[in-house]
Amino acid sequence: AQKITQTQPGMFVQEKEAVTLDCTYDTSDPSYGLFWYKQPSSGEMIFLIYQGSYDQQNATEGRYSLNFQKARKSANLVISASQLGDSAMYFCAMRDPWNSGNTPLVFGKGTRLSVIA
Amino acid sequence: DGGITQSPKYLFRKEGQNVTLSCEQNLNHDAMYWYRQDPGQGLRLIYYSQIVNDFQKGDIAEGYSVSREKKESFPLTVTSAQKNPTAFYLCASKTYGGETQYFGPGTRLLVL
Repeated sequence: AQKITQTQPGMFVQEKEAVTLDCTYDTSDPSYGLFWYKQPSSGEMIFLIYQGSYDQQNATEGRYSLNFQKARKSANLVISASQLGDSAMYFCAMRDPWNSGNTPLVFGKGTRLSVIA
Repeated sequence: DGGITQSPKYLFRKEGQNVTLSCEQNLNHDAMYWYRQDPGQGLRLIYYSQIVNDFQKGDIAEGYSVSREKKESFPLTVTSAQKNPTAFYLCASKTYGGETQYFGPGTRLLVL
């Protein structure tokens, strides 16, 4: 069963506007971590933001914030004041709850964000 | 500079040939990972290693092999048994107890 679902294959946003990228996840473990990565056309994976399942506050990192709704099992990424350089693929990922320690990540299929001038 | 390096950037494989992708990190990270990415897809786990001389299979380990003889190195061999190896390969590492995996720049493997 797919553990991470990103339902938006592609999104467009006007420069300087905010955009929300959706991510829903499936787990029965109470302890898990959620991540967002950015992948520009160069291919490198750039870590953006992390949210732990026990964190009380939604995570924020500069223009990135994570809208964590535990009951809905959603972890949407919000990018404020979009810039042209934000155009990239964005992946939501979850630390696999079935193991412990250095567990691998499980990735969604990604959303391609295009920022329009 | 601290980081994760992968080489080569592009690799060409002939039919029936084994090829090895290099991944090195100088971050003193304990765990290392190999992921495969196909066009328009997310990343899928091939193998990972939590400590030297130990590794576990991921979801798509068939046709691949790894070794972890040194903490800083985790090479991936794509064997001739892997019938569809054309993909982008990403290596990652993480410190024990830390949450975030950090990625190398990737190797693009093409079949001639």
